[in-house]
Amino acid sequence: DTGVSQNPRHKITKRGQNVTFRCDPISEHNRLYWYRQTLGQGPEFLTYFQNEAQLEKSRLLSDRFSAERPKGSFSTLEIQRTEQGDSAMYLCASSTGGTGELFFGEGSRLTVL
Amino acid sequence: AQKVTQAQTEISVVEKEDVTLDCVYETRDTTYYLFWYKQPPSGELVFLIRRNSFDEQNEISGRYSWNFQKSTSSFNFTITASQVVDSAVYFCALRDRSNDYKLSFGAGTTVTVRA
Repeated sequence: DTGVSQNPRHKITKRGQNVTFRCDPISEHNRLYWYRQTLGQGPEFLTYFQNEAQLEKSRLLSDRFSAERPKGSFSTLEIQRTEQGDSAMYLCASSTGGTGELFFGEGSRLTVL
Repeated sequence: AQKVTQAQTEISVVEKEDVTLDCVYETRDTTYYLFWYKQPPSGELVFLIRRNSFDEQNEISGRYSWNFQKSTSSFNFTITASQVVDSAVYFCALRDRSNDYKLSFGAGTTVTVRA
């Protein structure tokens, strides 16, 4: 399967714990994106990488959130000191350029108890 | 600022009926791209169609067709002869030149096709 891969698919954690999600994009795609989707809403942009450089961050991305893409390959999204409001589906996508479509993974669902 | 509005929250049809999904967008740019994505229960967003702002020609692709009208800032999407497998949430999205890294999505329309 050469699509976008995310893991874990589902994470249940207690408030205050740290969680990390991983995304493996389509190999030839230099752009990688993280989005967040809450129930009944469309995905919201969080951050974007071009190769290893993080070029844009949404105001939704508080200082408890950090994303990395070492060597321009896979990416990780870490949430520190999770809060119940962080419960959502975290979607990763990749693309080849600025005008084409994004290819999404199946998402990582976070439940904070 | 980018904004996408999908006024229809839910649509329910019987198999073989046509379904039209409405989308209205806002952007200050003259160059932009419009998309439709499908999200089945599995959760993965699947790309369906993409349209450039400078090409208003409407097309048909299999059972999908779209109606892009810049004058009314609308980008409506039609599924012809719906099937049960079309049941999903459908999202309209916009990407403009000023924010070419960012896809702005509408809230989605849930389509239920009954056998």
